[in-house]
Order: sequence, then C-alpha cells, then structure tokens
Amino acid sequence: AQSVAQPEDQVNVAEGNPLTVKCTYSVSGNPYLFWYVQYPNRGLQFLLKYITGDNLVKGSYGFEAEFNKSQTSFHLKKPSALVSDSALYFCAVSRNSGNTPLVFGKGTRLSVIA
Amino acid sequence: DAGITQSPRYKITETGRQVTLMCHQTWSHSYMFWYRQDLGHGLRLIYYSAAADITDKGEVPDGYVVSRSKTENFPLTLESATRSQTSVYFCASRAGTGYEQYFGPGTRLTVT
Repeated sequence: AQSVAQPEDQVNVAEGNPLTVKCTYSVSGNPYLFWYVQYPNRGLQFLLKYITGDNLVKGSYGFEAEFNKSQTSFHLKKPSALVSDSALYFCAVSRNSGNTPLVFGKGTRLSVIA
Repeated sequence: DAGITQSPRYKITETGRQVTLMCHQTWSHSYMFWYRQDLGHGLRLIYYSAAADITDKGEVPDGYVVSRSKTENFPLTLESATRSQTSVYFCASRAGTGYEQYFGPGTRLTVT
C-alpha cells in the first residue's frame, strides 16, 4: 500500500524568507510524487511532479521540490515566500504503474506573514 | 468552456434522501476520480474509473454509487444520505498517458 505523511499541520514563515513544506512517502516500487495547492473555496491546483530524472524539480509560482530516495522524502521549497503563497498544500504519491490513483497526505497549511 | 466542472457547487439535503453530484470534463481524459475532503483526513478516494463502463472502489466507497456511461461524465450518487457524508466532494480527471490529476472546483454537501 502507498501512503504519504505531512508531519506539520501548519507552517508559518515571514515574507521573504525561504519556506519548506515536508513530505515523506511509502510506496512499493518507484514513486510518482506530486504537490498540489488549494486556495480557499477552490479545487486543488497542480504545482509540480517527480517521475524520473533530476532529483530537483521546478514547478509553478517559483516552487521546487527535492526528491530524496534514501530518506523517502519530497519536500516542497521556495527561496522567498510571498503572502500570496498562503494556502493549503498537499503531497501525493502513486506507484510507477501510472494506473493507480493518487494517495494524498492530510495537507499542510502555510501562512506567510508580512 | 474547456475543463472540469462540478454541479451543484452547494447542496443541502436531508438524511435518507438520494442525491447525485455531477462531474463533467471536456478533455476526453480516460481516468476520472471522486474524492471527499474532510478536516483532519485530507483527500480520500471514493471511486475511480479508468474508462467508460469501468469503475473501481477507492478507500471510502460505502454509501456511494458511481456510473460512467460516457467518457466525459462521472456522476456520484449518495443513495441514502447520512450526516457523516457531509463533506466537500472533488472530482478529478487524468489523461491515460499523463500522470497529474486535474481537479474540479468541488461541491460542498451538507446533510441535515
């Protein structure tokens, strides 16, 4: 079975500071990893994915994530946080068959303080 | 407009009533999914479909029924609504050759 853990329910960061939202996963075989963002009263928006290749993947809005196979982690990062980044962030994983649905973590609420 | 839409966006119903949530996508994606979002649980998969007339259970299927007679539509029916089904429901789709799922705007369902 596949699973995702987001160990922090809430992350607070000052505007302009770097941010990290943590994610660890468990899956048999090679993982397909994703980050999504949800703004209030909206659906989830795709940010970035890791399928294969370079461990550092870049996505929308200046976000990036680093795949670490030995630590089974896929942390989301941004060098300089904006107030508009405040939202709910979800990490998700799928097995490399490509035919299995995504399994989501419980989400981390990011608050960027001006 | 292209994309994935859900209707209604808000619904209040009474315990025991049947209610159907609609999902429509214009991309001709082969895969479609239904999730529910609850505080403390994140998103949990209810049902999914790999193609028309092919559906499969997810993590929390009890009390729900789905059908998929056409590629573009994937309705979710609560046959006899219960208060525990009060939630926000999201539909998503994915291309057969793609990996990321695209989500609709959600339906907020309240069962009184």
